[in-house]
Amino acid sequence: GAVVSQHPSRVICKSGTSVKIECRSLDFQATTMFWYRQFPKQSLMLMATSNEGSKATYEQGVEKDKFLINHASLTLSTLTVTSAHPEDSSFYICSGLFNEKLFFGSGTQLSVL
Amino acid sequence: AQSVTQPDIHITVSEGASLELRCNYSYGATPYLFWYVQSPGQGLQLLLKYFSGDTLVQGIKGFEAEFKRSQSSFNLRKPSVHWSDAAEYFCAVGASAGKSTFGDGTTLTVKP
Repeated sequence: GAVVSQHPSRVICKSGTSVKIECRSLDFQATTMFWYRQFPKQSLMLMATSNEGSKATYEQGVEKDKFLINHASLTLSTLTVTSAHPEDSSFYICSGLFNEKLFFGSGTQLSVL
Repeated sequence: AQSVTQPDIHITVSEGASLELRCNYSYGATPYLFWYVQSPGQGLQLLLKYFSGDTLVQGIKGFEAEFKRSQSSFNLRKPSVHWSDAAEYFCAVGASAGKSTFGDGTTLTVKP
């Protein structure tokens, strides 16, 4: 099956700093990737759709200036949490779309102190 | 609007016993339906999906699901559960894989 690699798996940062999360499709080209946020014991909430070579599409209520998404190549999408605050602490997951199926990264646990 | 309900927050079964996880959905047309499994601290893995055709869908790891339009359900089943099946299971519905809404999940515990 298709593999999506997400890094880092865990990051701790100070309030006010920025954090970048990378999502790579290792064996397929992902023109479309998705970014989710998951709180403990809760469902995945779609944050944004990342399209290669164009601007990301954000879901309602997601601050595009806080969650910057870049999809500069067919195998890499990045999510940058800018000026992170404790309320941004969460589990972030990316996925790539291939053959009408989603393949997920292993997630990034972000803790903002 | 599309929505998914997984009525069971937590289910415990004995190893070797059968399993059924419930999923009810609300969608205006024929949806894509998915079941995913998530191990602790991990991303999700697709177990199976349905869009059309045979309403009984076979997936990986011995799982199957049955689409029942009249009941707006897509329940996941496995005839004999293994300890390694302990995980969080998510049902999802949408117009495509990417535009899916996920349920709140069901945590499966397997007793030895």
